[in-house]
Amino acid sequence: DIQMTQSPSTLSASVGDRITITCRASQSISSWLAWYQQKPGKAPNLLIYKASILESGVPSRFSGSGSGTVFTLTISSLQPDDFATYYCQHFNSYSATFGQGTKVEIE
Amino acid sequence: EVQLVESGGETVQPGGSLRLSCAASGFTFSNTWMHWVRHGPGQGLMWVSRINSDGTSTRYADSVKGRFLISRDNAKNTVYLQMNSLRVEDTAVYYCGKDDLGGIRHWGQGTLVTVSS
Repeated sequence: DIQMTQSPSTLSASVGDRITITCRASQSISSWLAWYQQKPGKAPNLLIYKASILESGVPSRFSGSGSGTVFTLTISSLQPDDFATYYCQHFNSYSATFGQGTKVEIE
Repeated sequence: EVQLVESGGETVQPGGSLRLSCAASGFTFSNTWMHWVRHGPGQGLMWVSRINSDGTSTRYADSVKGRFLISRDNAKNTVYLQMNSLRVEDTAVYYCGKDDLGGIRHWGQGTLVTVSS
């Protein structure tokens, strides 16, 4: 099975900061990667799919890039509503594995 | 409007069984792959299982393989997760999700499964 490794596990930042979260796949997954935001007690919210396509309604400060084995989620200017946990997820015909998550905290 | 409503979560003893249901509406259910994902206390999200549109292909995470069974009834627009031999570590909120071109765009509200003696 393909393993997904996210880093860092926790990120402390301030409003206005630019932050980047990395997700690495154990083997090439082309562009079959999604990013989600999750807040406590809520279902995840899709941000990015196919590595770089911004989901409708998601602010443009969010962006995704990468292909193959290394992917990044960038928030260009962190807003108060962005403090949450972020997950990457790989899809193939066999599984849909999540990364371990990155908690973005207020510094 | 797409709606997914899970039900069936409750407290069960280790070794017990439970069946979760996810009722779907607002889209062509019979054309759509579906997933179950869980979120355990203090843990990250874990993909549990998926089923293809006609129910002929299913996949499971290694930790639930052989214990959980995903199925669907396209006439009832419902996907199920039969969970057997439950363990304490299966305690989680279980979500169903609609597969949308390499992402899960629509999620249910979740149903809580607690495995405890």
